[in-house]
Amino acid sequence: AQSVTQPDIHITVSEGASLELRCNYSYGATPYLFWYVQSPGQGLQLLLKYFSGDTLVQGIKGFEAEFKRSQSSFNLRKPSVHWSDAAEYFCAVGPYGGATNKLIFGTGTLLAVQP
Amino acid sequence: EAQVTQNPRYLITVTGKKLTVTCSQNMNHEYMSWYRQDPGLGLRQIYYSMNVEVTDKGDVPEGYKVSRKEKRNFPLILESPSPNQTSLYFCASSFRRTSTDTQYFGPGTRLTVL
Repeated sequence: AQSVTQPDIHITVSEGASLELRCNYSYGATPYLFWYVQSPGQGLQLLLKYFSGDTLVQGIKGFEAEFKRSQSSFNLRKPSVHWSDAAEYFCAVGPYGGATNKLIFGTGTLLAVQP
Repeated sequence: EAQVTQNPRYLITVTGKKLTVTCSQNMNHEYMSWYRQDPGLGLRQIYYSMNVEVTDKGDVPEGYKVSRKEKRNFPLILESPSPNQTSLYFCASSFRRTSTDTQYFGPGTRLTVL
């Protein structure tokens, strides 16, 4: 069955430090991969997505992610974290069965940023 | 401004009292869906709709109903809410049903059922 694992429930980094959020997926074929961010009290905003081609994808807010098929991973990175990056981050995979646009979400990683 | 709106944003109700959470999008999207978000479980799809009058169950449809009479609106109905439906609900929409289409999420509705 398709699934997404985000091993880190909670991460704290210092402002200005680099960030890597882990995401592993289980999928029968080449997946479509997404990272969403949820700021407190807000809906989910798409950071970036991977469908095919270059395995390093750039997103908004200075984020990037790298697709590694051999490791079934799609880790999110940012070279220098800002206090405004404090939020919950969700990795997601799609499609599911091809019949819908349903996304399979991971359980999320809550990022705290220390001054 | 392109957006997905949900109302209400917060709701506290009691067991068995029927309620409706509205969802509306102004992007002429065909595909709409509802998710619920619970701690440690991520987001799970409740129902989806591929177009007007076309709806189908997602992963956790029990206790919910939906309708799609107009393209822009996709209300979520809880006929007899129970405490296990206390959750954060998100409506989402995309132009088509294919995964390459970006899904846009509403701001969420936090529901508490006492």
